[in-house]
Amino acid sequence: KAGVTQTPRYLIKTRGQQVTLSCSPISGHRSVSWYQQTPGQGLQFLFEYFSETQRNKGNFPGRFSGRQFSNSRSEMNVSTLELGDSALYLCASSLDGRPTNEKLFFGSGTQLSVL
Amino acid sequence: AQTVTQSQPEMSVQEAETVTLSCTYDTSESNYYLFWYKQPPSRQMILVIRQEAYKQQNATENRFSVNFQKAAKSFSLKISDSQLGDTAMYFCASRSYSGGSNYKLTFGKGTLLTVNP
Repeated sequence: KAGVTQTPRYLIKTRGQQVTLSCSPISGHRSVSWYQQTPGQGLQFLFEYFSETQRNKGNFPGRFSGRQFSNSRSEMNVSTLELGDSALYLCASSLDGRPTNEKLFFGSGTQLSVL
Repeated sequence: AQTVTQSQPEMSVQEAETVTLSCTYDTSESNYYLFWYKQPPSRQMILVIRQEAYKQQNATENRFSVNFQKAAKSFSLKISDSQLGDTAMYFCASRSYSGGSNYKLTFGKGTLLTVNP
């Protein structure tokens, strides 16, 4: 079974641009969540999608948005990029994502650099 | 709100020895789960071990075990017979289970573990 796939692996953008990151979950998984990882702030929760609906959202500005498609693939978009958006963006998938000890499977992330 | 604190930014251990990584947490929820994740240089987060808060028995997974002290809100990870492949960043995380909308993991800042030959 293929794991969680994130594309692209690396991305370089300039301030003011927008970017779209993609995440393909493990087949059969319906929950996809996104995390931002930076050296200063560590890992922070962005949002979680289940069956094409955003079910939970972290404390990030409206420039950060996402969506999920009917095949459970998810995209996140960051508009008007700022230098502070430089980070590793991790996607995780699980069967239904409810707050149990359900195992989350992470991708290898997209490293975004904003110049 | 949940908080997770890892007080050891870096640790090192000799191959085949035992090392313990510390973690404390704070939560107002009565039902929650605790996890240790490993992030090697490949950047992929890998679940090492998980503990249900209502279970008193400490979880074990092969060479990995936890010391869960609920009253002290402490959740340390012990790695026995350390191997070179254990070199990675280790994150402690909590996840609440209260019927609310907390479908997220709250992570600590991580501990970089280096296993020396």
